[in-house]
Amino acid sequence: QSALTQPPSASGSPGQSVTISCTGTIRDIGGYNYVSWYQQHPGKAPKLMIYEVSKRPSGVPDRFSGSKSGNTASLTVSGLQAEDEADYYCSSFAHSNNLLFGGGTKLTVL
Amino acid sequence: QVQLQESGPGLVKPSETLSLTCSVSGGFIKGYYWSWIRQPPGKALEWIGYVYYSGSTNYNPSLKSRVTISVDTSKNQISLKLSSVTAADTAVYYCARLYDSSVDVFDIWGQGTMVTVSS
Repeated sequence: QSALTQPPSASGSPGQSVTISCTGTIRDIGGYNYVSWYQQHPGKAPKLMIYEVSKRPSGVPDRFSGSKSGNTASLTVSGLQAEDEADYYCSSFAHSNNLLFGGGTKLTVL
Repeated sequence: QVQLQESGPGLVKPSETLSLTCSVSGGFIKGYYWSWIRQPPGKALEWIGYVYYSGSTNYNPSLKSRVTISVDTSKNQISLKLSSVTAADTAVYYCARLYDSSVDVFDIWGQGTMVTVSS
């Protein structure tokens, strides 16, 4: 069982918005603003999409945004496109210099 | 453009030690933290640990007793050793660079290497 809880699946039609949640505790998500999100296409390495809750690396479309409230972080993908279909993983810095990942969410573009 | 390439045996016997190397090209190891992350087939990512270019390390508490991560700046390589492996250690193993001076943001990843633990 992963330390951070994500829904196993999410879906939306092209052009719509989808939000994926990532729930932890005060010892990880709730205690630090160090949440990241990664996109992983089948057979590929993960790609950084969001870091420090809401910052986007250079080259990541602004359709991807992140936020946090309490012990739950969220990734929102707006204007869904076919190439957004992938697995998404959250991660968080945690107490005692640990790092936790979520269980992953499979995003399907209908 | 910095690139990472993992290498090592694809098959390891139970109770033996898994050894992998990550070669860094297009950039230098100095100034960064470097990490290993694994992903069992069909499952989630799991952070294994990281090493600073100076050699200091930090490991996932659940693996700490079996893990050693080291760095060789002269060869631009990072190494992973995981002892006493079992089938549960079967996974794709990725090396990744940590962004800027962070210890939690992986901005560059290798392609990963599959390691199977089986007799």
